[in-house]
Amino acid sequence: AQSVSQHNHHVILSEAASLELGCNYSYGGTVNLFWYVQYPGQHLQLLLKYFSGDPLVKGIKGFEAEFIKSKFSFNLRKPSVQWSDTAEYFCAVRDNFNKFYFGSGTKLNVKP
Amino acid sequence: DGGITQSPKYLFRKEGQNVTLSCEQNLNHDAMYWYRQDPGQGLRLIYYSQIVNDFQKGDIAEGYSVSREKKESFPLTVTSAQKNPTAFYLCASSMGTSGRAWNEQFFGPGTRLTVL
Repeated sequence: AQSVSQHNHHVILSEAASLELGCNYSYGGTVNLFWYVQYPGQHLQLLLKYFSGDPLVKGIKGFEAEFIKSKFSFNLRKPSVQWSDTAEYFCAVRDNFNKFYFGSGTKLNVKP
Repeated sequence: DGGITQSPKYLFRKEGQNVTLSCEQNLNHDAMYWYRQDPGQGLRLIYYSQIVNDFQKGDIAEGYSVSREKKESFPLTVTSAQKNPTAFYLCASSMGTSGRAWNEQFFGPGTRLTVL
């Protein structure tokens, strides 16, 4: 079975600081990778996704993630965070059977 | 507007009672999923269905049951056998494996169940 690890459970940053959230997965086969965000009181929504091709993917709101196959990683980055980025972030992996696996989430708190 | 609806938003039940959570989608998606979200544990898969009239257990299926009689609907019943049912329940859907394109999951707004 697949597992997804998010090592940062709670991150506190000041506005304009750079962000990197780690995500590692265990499945060795072909995977699709996702980052979702859950703003307070809102639905889970997709930030970005990787299916194939360029391992550096760009998403909404200035977020990007890099797929490093050799490290089984898909870390999320943003050069300069804003207060409005305060949310919980989830990394997810889909296997060949269309089953999705989620990490435990990282709560980001951006101080104004 | 295409999307996923879950009802009710808040649900209270007495211990020992079964309760059914509704999930409807009008995205024409084949696959539907139920997750449970608890603080610090992320999303844990309860049941999923890749196609009508078929479903599989996820990682924490004990105490839950589902049906998939229609493509648009995937109701979840939380039975009295579920030992710790108080949680936030999320329904999701995706295009599934029938299409050529792989796709992400879309989520509903969730139902918060509290057992009194």
